[in-house]
Amino acid sequence: NAGVTQTPKFQVLKTGQSMTLQCAQDMNHEYMSWYRQDPGMGLRLIHYSVGAGITDQGEVPNGYNVSRSTTEDFPLRLLSAAPSQTSVYFCASSPRGKDYGYTFGSGTRLTVV
Amino acid sequence: GNSVTQMEGPVTLSEEAFLTINCTYTATGYPSLFWYVQYPGEGLQLLLKATKADDKGSNKGFEATYRKETTSFHLEKGSVQVSDSAVYFCALRGFGNEKLTFGTGTRLTIIP
Repeated sequence: NAGVTQTPKFQVLKTGQSMTLQCAQDMNHEYMSWYRQDPGMGLRLIHYSVGAGITDQGEVPNGYNVSRSTTEDFPLRLLSAAPSQTSVYFCASSPRGKDYGYTFGSGTRLTVV
Repeated sequence: GNSVTQMEGPVTLSEEAFLTINCTYTATGYPSLFWYVQYPGEGLQLLLKATKADDKGSNKGFEATYRKETTSFHLEKGSVQVSDSAVYFCALRGFGNEKLTFGTGTRLTIIP
């Protein structure tokens, strides 16, 4: 099993550019989430989804869009990149149920110049 | 809302020392509690979990006990190794609100 696959691993954008971070999981998990990790701030939830066609905002949704057209895929779109979006982005997935842990991807390191 | 408060780091220990990383939480009901580990340049890996009061999670020599009376889930290891150097995150997941809520993380460095 591949688990949670994120692409690309590294990306440099210019301010104002847009891009999509890809996330795919092959475990048939209902729940998927996007986090960003900044030095000294832990992980902050950007958006999450409890199933295909259902998404909701997390703590820091501004500047990001998501959609969930299939169970497997949960792309994160940066609409107009800003230097404040320089971060490491992690996608995670989980079965339904509080007793399950989330499985994380290996991350995308994004730099906005 | 749910929240997790984690011991401030960084923590530096000598090899074979005893490790404790404190974690306390605030949540309604009976959440599940988790410890995740992040090695340099990698994503988070689930280290251990406990899903009800008095449960003890354990893995790779690490242990944590779910204490409802003190709302705590402290991570312990009896003898740390250099390979344990990483960032450790405490997290909770509540019933009906199944987002994962993280603490801020504790960076652990083990010196030979």
